[in-house]
Amino acid sequence: KQEVTQIPAALSVPEGENLVLNCSFTDSAIYNLQWFRQDPGKGLTSLLLIQSSQREQTSGRLNASLDKSSGRSTLYIAASQPGDSATYLCAANRDDKIIFGKGTRLHILP
Amino acid sequence: GAGVSQTPSNKVTEKGKYVELRCDPISGHTALYWYRQSLGQGPEFLIYFQGTGAADDSGLPNDRFFAVRPEGSVSTLKIQRTERGDSAVYLCASSLQGGGRTEAFFGQGTRLTVV
Repeated sequence: KQEVTQIPAALSVPEGENLVLNCSFTDSAIYNLQWFRQDPGKGLTSLLLIQSSQREQTSGRLNASLDKSSGRSTLYIAASQPGDSATYLCAANRDDKIIFGKGTRLHILP
Repeated sequence: GAGVSQTPSNKVTEKGKYVELRCDPISGHTALYWYRQSLGQGPEFLIYFQGTGAADDSGLPNDRFFAVRPEGSVSTLKIQRTERGDSAVYLCASSLQGGGRTEAFFGQGTRLTVV
């Protein structure tokens, strides 16, 4: 059974810092891994999708990497801004289920 | 619309009542998922549709929960005899293909409160 873990559970950093969010999954037989952002009381916004054959994806200040063999993915946020404050969720996709971690609550201090 | 639409956005119901939650997926998306999210937790899988059929309903917590997608587009999640423990945000997602191969897009969710 796939389990997804995200570390840390919460993170507060000053504006402008670069930061890394970690995600690990127990079953490496995934089709892809997806990172989402969730603002309080809102739905999920897809940030990046990494196919299992890829090692990384980039979108603006975001870079996500995937190491299937070790069951790890990281989301790198460059030059953080207060507007980046949200919960970030990673999800491992295989077959008919998307399995989520519990998320990292990120707070960027102005 | 361009995205996944869920209605209502909020629903308050009394314990024991029946509720229906609606999801309009992105046009052309064959795969549709329902998830439930409790406070401080990640979304929890409920059911997956490929076309009109429920390909995997292993996440439904008990037989009070049922979902349909009769024409392969709009889906309705139905909860009978609601309990206070059913209170959560119910999220719907769709993707172009099933099998977890393509990007999933989520709606804004329906916040269900059972009083």
